[in-house]
Amino acid sequence: KQEVTQIPAALSVPEGENLVLNCSFTDSAIYNLQWFRQDPGKGLTSLLLIQSSQREQTSGRLNASLDKSSGRSTLYIAASQPGDSATYLCAVHTQGGSEKLVFGKGTKLTVNP
Amino acid sequence: NAGVTQTPKFQVLKTGQSMTLQCAQDMNHNSMYWYRQDPGMGLRLIYYSASEGTTDKGEVPNGYNVSRLNKREFSLRLESAAPSQTSVYFCASSEDIRESQPQHFGDGTRLSIL
Repeated sequence: KQEVTQIPAALSVPEGENLVLNCSFTDSAIYNLQWFRQDPGKGLTSLLLIQSSQREQTSGRLNASLDKSSGRSTLYIAASQPGDSATYLCAVHTQGGSEKLVFGKGTKLTVNP
Repeated sequence: NAGVTQTPKFQVLKTGQSMTLQCAQDMNHNSMYWYRQDPGMGLRLIYYSASEGTTDKGEVPNGYNVSRLNKREFSLRLESAAPSQTSVYFCASSEDIRESQPQHFGDGTRLSIL
């Protein structure tokens, strides 16, 4: 059974700092890995999707990497801003089985002005 | 730009009552999903519909039923609500479950069972 772990569970940084969020998964048989952002009381917003054949994806100040063989992904946020404060979730699209998208429990990020 | 719309946004039920959560998407997506989100548990898949006319169980289907009414709409029904079903329910859609495409989420339904 696929398991997804995100470390740390919470992170507080000063504005302007570069930071890395970590995601690990136990089964490398995946179609893709997706990073989401969730604001309090809201749904999930897709940030980046990395196909299993790709190594990284970039969108603005965000860069996500994928090392499928080691079961790891990182989300790099450059020059963090208070508006980046949210919970960041990673999810893997698992091949086969009934669990099509398996989520980590998230990292709650607070960027202090 | 509605995307995925869920109704209602909030609901309080008594144990044993029934209820249907509604979800509609306007992106012409083939695949739709229902998740629940609980503190400390993350999001878990309840049911999904790969395409119109098909539904399949996810990780936690017990106590729920679903209907893929048409390509746009996918409803989740609680026949006899239990306190353990208190949760935030999210509906999502994607172009096709067989393609590696991102899922788009609604804003959720916050359900409390007393």
